[in-house]
Amino acid sequence: NAGVTQTPKFQVLKTGQSMTLQCAQDMNHEYMSWYRQDPGMGLRLIHYSVGAGITDQGEVPNGYNVSRSTTEDFPLRLLSAAPSQTSVYFCASSYERTGPRTEAFFGQGTRLTVV
Amino acid sequence: TQLLEQSPQFLSIQEGENLTVYCNSSSVFSSLQWYRQEPGEGPVLLVTVVTGGEVKKLKRLTFQFGDARKDSSLHITAAQPGDTGLYLCAGAPYSGGYQKVTFGTGTKLQVIP
Repeated sequence: NAGVTQTPKFQVLKTGQSMTLQCAQDMNHEYMSWYRQDPGMGLRLIHYSVGAGITDQGEVPNGYNVSRSTTEDFPLRLLSAAPSQTSVYFCASSYERTGPRTEAFFGQGTRLTVV
Repeated sequence: TQLLEQSPQFLSIQEGENLTVYCNSSSVFSSLQWYRQEPGEGPVLLVTVVTGGEVKKLKRLTFQFGDARKDSSLHITAAQPGDTGLYLCAGAPYSGGYQKVTFGTGTKLQVIP
């Protein structure tokens, strides 16, 4: 079982460049989300989606866009990369209908460096 | 935003030792989860506790949810090198979906053979 697949695993960007982090899940989960992980700050929610065509902002959405055209895919777009966006990014999915007591499945992460 | 503080932040112990990791908040949670994250990987769920005072055991790992549902602990007996990783707690409020889950700051554990 593939679970949650993120690409790329590593990326270096120059300030001002744009890019898309890809995320796909094969578990038919309604809920998908993007987090960034920084030392000493835990996981912070960037954007989330409760189903195809529905997205909303999380705790730290500035500088990022998302879309959800299918149940399986949830790409994260960096519009104009800044050094403050250097971080490790995780995509996660879970069954929305059963609520937050159920397991969140995470991808392997994308380590992004903006120079 | 509900905050979850984990302590200690770092822990380096010898194989065979026991340890306890704490997850504390001033907020009340309907449930609390513990995840383990290995280097280069995403977090993986270990356990979910939902009842105040609940104790769950997973082999050498014992998880407890505080009576007031504001805190939790993870105790590892006879730690092994395979226990090395980042341990994260995550609390869910009574209302709202998964987007309301708050993750703790993490405890990085190193078990030395």
